[in-house]
Amino acid sequence: AQTVTQSQPEMSVQEAETVTLSCTYDTSENNYYLFWYKQPPSRQMILVIRQEAYKQQNATENRFSVNFQKAAKSFSLKISDSQLGDTAMYFCAFMMGVWGADGLTFGKGTHLIIQP
Amino acid sequence: ETGVTQTPRHLVMGMTNKKSLKCEQHLGHNAMYWYKQSAKKPLELMFVYNFKEQTENNSVPSRFSPECPNSSHLFLHLHTLQPEDSALYLCASSQDDEQFFGPGTRLTVL
Repeated sequence: AQTVTQSQPEMSVQEAETVTLSCTYDTSENNYYLFWYKQPPSRQMILVIRQEAYKQQNATENRFSVNFQKAAKSFSLKISDSQLGDTAMYFCAFMMGVWGADGLTFGKGTHLIIQP
Repeated sequence: ETGVTQTPRHLVMGMTNKKSLKCEQHLGHNAMYWYKQSAKKPLELMFVYNFKEQTENNSVPSRFSPECPNSSHLFLHLHTLQPEDSALYLCASSQDDEQFFGPGTRLTVL
């Protein structure tokens, strides 16, 4: 079974700063997907960024980027120029296969607070 | 809005009640999921449906009974629940690797 570990229950940074959220995972599979999902207070969970394990290049989406270290089984999320709207729970998630027949395995989440 | 809706948004029920949660997706996706989100615990996958067929039952107690009549609708029938079943129940749908989540049903079992 796969496991996902997020070691930072809560983080707080000032607006415009850069913050990195950590995630490690454990699997014996070679083909899989990794995700970061964002859950704002009282709002729906949305995808922030995805990474296919077979791709060596780190994924980037505007201010969000990942540092994917496959050998170390590490998948951290970097948020640059943080904004007040980035305040949310952030979940790291793992999925095997092509379309997710096993669903997602989530970490416990990191509560990120952006201070004005 | 992600295109996935859930009703009701809040539900309070006694341990002897029977209730159902409904999920609907307007995205044309083929796969639908139920997750349980409890305080202090990771989101837990409960059930997976692909083309209306159940492909995953993650050791969920039988007091939770899913139903998927078509690719757009997913239900979770609840009966004789326990207080520890109180949680946020999230529905999701997908066509490929990205899952789209609904807003959830906040369930309280008294």
